[in-house]
Amino acid sequence: DTGVSQDPRHKITKRGQNVTFRCDPISEHNRLYWYRQTLGQGPEFLTYFQNEAQLEKSRLLSDRFSAERPKGSFSTLEIQRTEQGDSAMYLCASSPGTRFETQYFGPGTRLLVL
Amino acid sequence: AQSVTQLDSQVPVFEEAPVELRCNYSSSVSVYLFWYVQYPNQGLQLLLKYLSGSTLVKGINGFEAEFNKSQTSFHLRKPSVHISDTAEYFCAVALDRDDKIIFGKGTRLHILP
Repeated sequence: DTGVSQDPRHKITKRGQNVTFRCDPISEHNRLYWYRQTLGQGPEFLTYFQNEAQLEKSRLLSDRFSAERPKGSFSTLEIQRTEQGDSAMYLCASSPGTRFETQYFGPGTRLLVL
Repeated sequence: AQSVTQLDSQVPVFEEAPVELRCNYSSSVSVYLFWYVQYPNQGLQLLLKYLSGSTLVKGINGFEAEFNKSQTSFHLRKPSVHISDTAEYFCAVALDRDDKIIFGKGTRLHILP
């Protein structure tokens, strides 16, 4: 069990650029979640997958954001035309699949948009 | 909509003293409650959770929390803290009909020598 991994750990980009983050969940975990955390706040839910199906998206997830989990394993979160307000820590978590099973979090990707 | 309030953004406490981190939630339906901890430079990890049954829940590292439905609270306690408990603690709630967890803003626990 190597835990949830996220890549990259840090990303600095200029406003208007596109960025893509990757999350590798714990092997055989069916559920994968994306959260966003800004300074002084708790994690805010963005979206989650059950295997390859995206089951729910938050209103926070504007049309500039897209997430995929094509084979039900790793997931990517893409932000198009980044804005300074997108600067945050993006967290990924996975769980075995039963509701309210413990979610295991990755270390996060810190995004800074200049 | 449900929400979680952590009244204290920071709590300083002397080593070996007891601590209570407060959490209140608002919801008119059944809830599930969680405490997560984030140690410096580490990812979030679950401390404990209340799904049903006994209202006193014991977690890792000597922490426990009590679900109080009448006061809509889920306060976290530890009888004697250690320097290694320095971290940020997040209370979270989920509704029965939902699959997402709503987190509070967090409480930073400072252990004083």
